[in-house]
Amino acid sequence: DAGVTQSPTHLIKTRGQHVTLRCSPISGHKSVSWYQQVLGQGPQFIFQYYEKEERGRGNFPDRFSARQFPNYSSELNVNALLLGDSALYLCASSLDGDYEQYFGPGTRLTVT
Amino acid sequence: AQSVTQPDIHITVSEGASLELRCNYSYGATPYLFWYVQSPGQGLQLLLKYFSGDTLVQGIKGFEAEFKRSQSSFNLRKPSVHWSDAAEYFCAVGRGNTPLVFGKGTRLSVIA
Repeated sequence: DAGVTQSPTHLIKTRGQHVTLRCSPISGHKSVSWYQQVLGQGPQFIFQYYEKEERGRGNFPDRFSARQFPNYSSELNVNALLLGDSALYLCASSLDGDYEQYFGPGTRLTVT
Repeated sequence: AQSVTQPDIHITVSEGASLELRCNYSYGATPYLFWYVQSPGQGLQLLLKYFSGDTLVQGIKGFEAEFKRSQSSFNLRKPSVHWSDAAEYFCAVGRGNTPLVFGKGTRLSVIA
């Protein structure tokens, strides 16, 4: 079975632009969480979605938004990019929003 | 607020030697506890988890961890390290509907 997939793998954007990151969960998993991992730090929680509803949101500005589609895939959108948004963005899926989370390989975003 | 401390930023061990990675947490109640491993360019892989019960938890790849309530610790151990264990290790805590909180990670290097 395929694991969690994320696209694109790498991305370079300019300050002020917006970006959309995509995540496909493991088949049968209904929950997706997004994390930001800056270099040298642990992942930091951004959003969790379960059955297309937002279940939790971390301490991130409104420039960050996400949604989950009927097939349980998810998008993370970031507007008005700042240099500080450069990070590895990780997606994790779980069966029903529990802590048994499976992580994808991440999308490396570089903002110049 | 919940927090996780991994005191060691970088540890180097010889192949075949034993390993202990430290993790201390601050939490209002006994949290769920996790150890993840991240290889370069990869997502996070769950090594083991503690929810309740036996305080010595066995995980994958020969790892184990011990929960010590009195010390608010959840240290990861392995009796004999292999070169393939070189990676970044993250301790994380969570409970109920709260999102996972990760430590900053410990980078493990293995020398011959």
